[in-house]
Order: sequence, then C-alpha cells, then structure tokens
Amino acid sequence: QSVLTQPPSVSAAPGQRVTISCSGSSSNIGNNFVSWYQQLPGTAPKLLIYENNKRPSGIPDRFSGSKSGTSATLGITGLQTGDEADYYCGTWDSSLSAGVFGGGTKLTVL
Amino acid sequence: EVQLVESGGGLVQPGGSLRLSCAASGFTFSSSWMSWVRQPPGKGLEWVANIKEDGSEKYYLDSLRGRFTISRDSAKNSLFLQMNSLRAEDTAVYYCARDHMAAVWDWGQGTLVTVSS
Repeated sequence: QSVLTQPPSVSAAPGQRVTISCSGSSSNIGNNFVSWYQQLPGTAPKLLIYENNKRPSGIPDRFSGSKSGTSATLGITGLQTGDEADYYCGTWDSSLSAGVFGGGTKLTVL
Repeated sequence: EVQLVESGGGLVQPGGSLRLSCAASGFTFSSSWMSWVRQPPGKGLEWVANIKEDGSEKYYLDSLRGRFTISRDSAKNSLFLQMNSLRAEDTAVYYCARDHMAAVWDWGQGTLVTVSS
C-alpha cells in the first residue's frame, strides 16, 4: 500500500491528452514538492517533472505537472506510442522523514 | 555526463548480508544528496534511504531501519548500502540515485539483489 495513490492504469489514443493523478496528504504532497518519473520497459526511471511543474532540460513541453492541495497531476499531450511506460509520482513525507513514491500508473497508447 | 554505476548485487541466502556500491562521476559528488531506491520484480518503486552531502544526516524507510545502512566516501566518489539480515521481500533491483532540487535527478542502471535459499 503506497503512501501516494495513483490509478493503476490509464489509456488514450495517439495524439490525445491524458492526465495521471497522485493523491497524498498534508505531510507529503501538501507541504513538499512533487516530482514525476517515466519508466520505459526494462529501463531505469527518468525524471520528467520536478518542483511540481518544472521540466529538466530535454523533456518536451508535452509533459506538464501541477499541484493543488494534497494532490498532483501529470499531463501528457500529443500522445505517442513511445510514451507507453509506467509513471510514478514522488515526494518527501515530513512525518515519516522518508521519500515516498506512488504505486505507479501504466500508460497505454491505444 | 552524470554516471552512476552500481555493483555488488547477486544471490544471497535469507539472513545473509550484502554490500552494494555505487561509483559516481560527472558531477560534484561531495555536494549532492544521494539515495537508494529499489524495485521488486514486476512492482513499483520504493524509496530506501538517502544521505546528506557530508554524511551527517541519513534517513531510512522505517521498515528497513536497523538492517540497512547507507554511507558514502567522497574521496572515492562512492555510495554504499550495507544490507544485513536479508529477507525474501528484499529481492529487488536497487538503484543508486542523485538527489537535486527535491527530486531524484539521475539514476543508475540498477543492480539485482535476489534473496533465496
């Protein structure tokens, strides 16, 4: 049971937009920055979003992040088959004094 | 280019010990928080531990405290994870990672630890 809650799976057609939610509490998302990671099959995770809504260099603007209260959302527009991957949210939990990840969401591009 | 190369994984019997190492390059290791993150086969990411730049602060997944110890050697640009009293549920790919701006910025390729008799 993950501290952060994500939907197990989402799907959408190529070219469409999809959002992935991440729900937490005041001890984690509510008072700390959220980051998002993409894990393609058989590879290490890759940072997509940091500090709630910032993209590292090289990450296309098709990927966006937002946060409101104790929830965060990853948005992906212009879906491509290459976006099929597992996506994880992450943050720090001040009560646990530990990092926490969501359970992950599998994106299928139909 | 940041490079994180883990080593030390393998097959170990329940109750045994293993020490993972991570060789870091391409950034100022002594100025970076570092983390270990693990991923059981077919499952999601689980944060394990992290350590401050100078090693003065260490944080652990609560269920691992007392069995796992994170450490670093800035002279050798290396991160370590000492794992004792290993259990089947510790079986996972273990990733070495660089923390930056409240995120895990860079990841190694991972090393597989299998705990089985």
